[in-house]
Amino acid sequence: SQQGEEDPQALSIQEGENATMNCSYKTSINNLQWYRQNSGRGLVHLILIRSNEREKHSGRLRVTLDTSKKSSSLLITASRAADTASYFCATDRNSGNTPLVFGKGTRLSVIA
Amino acid sequence: DAGITQSPRYKITETGRQVTLMCHQTWSHSYMFWYRQDLGHGLRLIYYSAAADITDKGEVSDGYVVSRSKTENFPLTLESATRSQTSVYFCASRGGVAAKNIQYFGAGTRLSVL
Repeated sequence: SQQGEEDPQALSIQEGENATMNCSYKTSINNLQWYRQNSGRGLVHLILIRSNEREKHSGRLRVTLDTSKKSSSLLITASRAADTASYFCATDRNSGNTPLVFGKGTRLSVIA
Repeated sequence: DAGITQSPRYKITETGRQVTLMCHQTWSHSYMFWYRQDLGHGLRLIYYSAAADITDKGEVSDGYVVSRSKTENFPLTLESATRSQTSVYFCASRGGVAAKNIQYFGAGTRLSVL
């Protein structure tokens, strides 16, 4: 069963707005990762946040992690049409000794 | 991504036929994975391999067989295809501990079982 569950399932915003996606998980983790999937393509790694980190930035991406609530959020600032994709969180429970477990994803549409 | 290649990209087959999906990576990554992606279910792990000749079942392994005789190849076989196996299949790989368990995905194989 899925470890991570993203919320919302779908999100539609105007270009220039910020997009926030949330992920909840069930068990303790070593790290949490976010991936992007463009239509008809494979997943691409975006950012990783360790369990002892609370916030991480990469360009227009900001990820937060709250281990007490078992949740994470991905914020994309100043969105662009090219950000249109599905976004997945993935949890790593055991420092790489077990496979990542992916959520069902959030489909983001950025309207120009 | 040029480092991990899946073939074929599209496949149509009939129920009961055997089908093999190929996956090849050029990084010498130790771990390789097979997932299926279906609407409403996200990505589900079928099988994974920690090294050549070492494979483990994932969440939805029934009806699938894998092998890993060489580090760079990880074929997935549907022994007797069923309509429920119509899906998009993704192969992924990752390196050792220093790789932080970041996975690299192929472009996928869209399989239709009629």
